[in-house]
Amino acid sequence: GQQVMQIPQYQHVQEGEDFTTYCNSSTTLSNIQWYKQRPGGHPVFLIQLVKSGEVKKQKRLTFQFGEAKKNSSLHITATQTTDVGTYFCAGQRTGGFKTNFGAGTRLFVKA
Amino acid sequence: DVKVTQSSRYLVKRTGEKVFLECVQDMDHENMFWYRQDPGLGLRLIYFSYDVKMKEKGDIPEGYSVSREKKERFSLILESASTNQTSMYLCASSYEFSMGSEQYFGPGTRLTVT
Repeated sequence: GQQVMQIPQYQHVQEGEDFTTYCNSSTTLSNIQWYKQRPGGHPVFLIQLVKSGEVKKQKRLTFQFGEAKKNSSLHITATQTTDVGTYFCAGQRTGGFKTNFGAGTRLFVKA
Repeated sequence: DVKVTQSSRYLVKRTGEKVFLECVQDMDHENMFWYRQDPGLGLRLIYFSYDVKMKEKGDIPEGYSVSREKKERFSLILESASTNQTSMYLCASSYEFSMGSEQYFGPGTRLTVT
């Protein structure tokens, strides 16, 4: 079945450093979504990418969808302590119903 | 704002008990989902429903069943709870499947089976 792999599993950064998490699928995706889960909270939708090569920005967050629509990345510039949490990618296979979540990348930010 | 509520934040049950987890959404969403979340494994889909009385198995349906008698309510049932079902259970809803409608999650139920 469709696998969505996400790396790294954990990332420790100093406040102000950049952070990137990567998501890879074994099959072509129709779209990819990103969610953030704060410690003790539930996943909250951040953004959805649909087009090949698409790049979207939300303030310090940059989201990319690969040309082949099999991979995606989330980059945070100059991390802040408020960025801590787990970031999940979630991909929907072309023609499919299910959204498959990656295992998540947990971000720790040291002040 | 979309609101997804779950009946309990914390639940402790004994092995062999029948357990009901309830989820209610207030946005008239077509789709509802049950996931379990375990460290290092992310969110794994147990069951989902795309309409009243309709259900589909997810990736890990064994040991679980679901019920959707009304559009706003989706219940997860553990027929005979076992210790390996100790986990965080998350309910979610979304408007439509086509082109990946965003999912709205409830606060979660942390279930411990002893």
